[in-house]
Amino acid sequence: EADIYQTPRYLVIGTGKKITLECSQTMGHDKMYWYQQDPGMELHLIHYSYGVNSTEKGDLSSESTVSRIRTEHFPLTLESARPSHTSQYLCASSESTGRETQYFGPGTRLLVL
Amino acid sequence: GESVGLHLPTLSVQEGDNSIINCAYSNSASDYFIWYKQESGKGPQFIIDIRSNMDKRQGQRVTVLLNKTVKHLSLQIAATQPGDSAVYFCAENKGQAGTALIFGKGTTLSVSS
Repeated sequence: EADIYQTPRYLVIGTGKKITLECSQTMGHDKMYWYQQDPGMELHLIHYSYGVNSTEKGDLSSESTVSRIRTEHFPLTLESARPSHTSQYLCASSESTGRETQYFGPGTRLLVL
Repeated sequence: GESVGLHLPTLSVQEGDNSIINCAYSNSASDYFIWYKQESGKGPQFIIDIRSNMDKRQGQRVTVLLNKTVKHLSLQIAATQPGDSAVYFCAENKGQAGTALIFGKGTTLSVSS
């Protein structure tokens, strides 16, 4: 069982609000990832980090930002939420061994009105 | 661009039947593959993985087959149960430091009793 947590699980918010989605893992993994997923569709990588103070943009352009101040914590922030940000956001982590098996959190379902 | 895809978006089987979910990949450099299961409202859950130096790997009720000649990956589920109903994703990784997973489109498996 993977020990990776996301909060909140569900969030309904108005346009223009600033939000932060939390992700924490207790496995000591160096690598962490954020994916965006529409219902039933494939996962799109929006951000990743290979360690503290390391962040990179993923394949899918996103207006969100991330930070990695601590190994276990990888929050994602939207400065001004829009209806187009409505989606599910999944956080994952993996070891730095080259196997790259990623373990996922339960996700945050975001609805922007 | 490089991508991982699945042949069928949906698969319906009867309880007790064997299920086969297929995936085609296009990146010849990929050397590590993973199957994930995603139940409704949850994050993807690791099922089984396989390295490119193997053709077959077995787990509990699941078998992954890799055909590098035609770049094809399949997941076989024996004696499918209603609890196997979910969306299944394949993912590939080139196995190099710094590369993330590339996910394909999912196959929705529906098991009727």
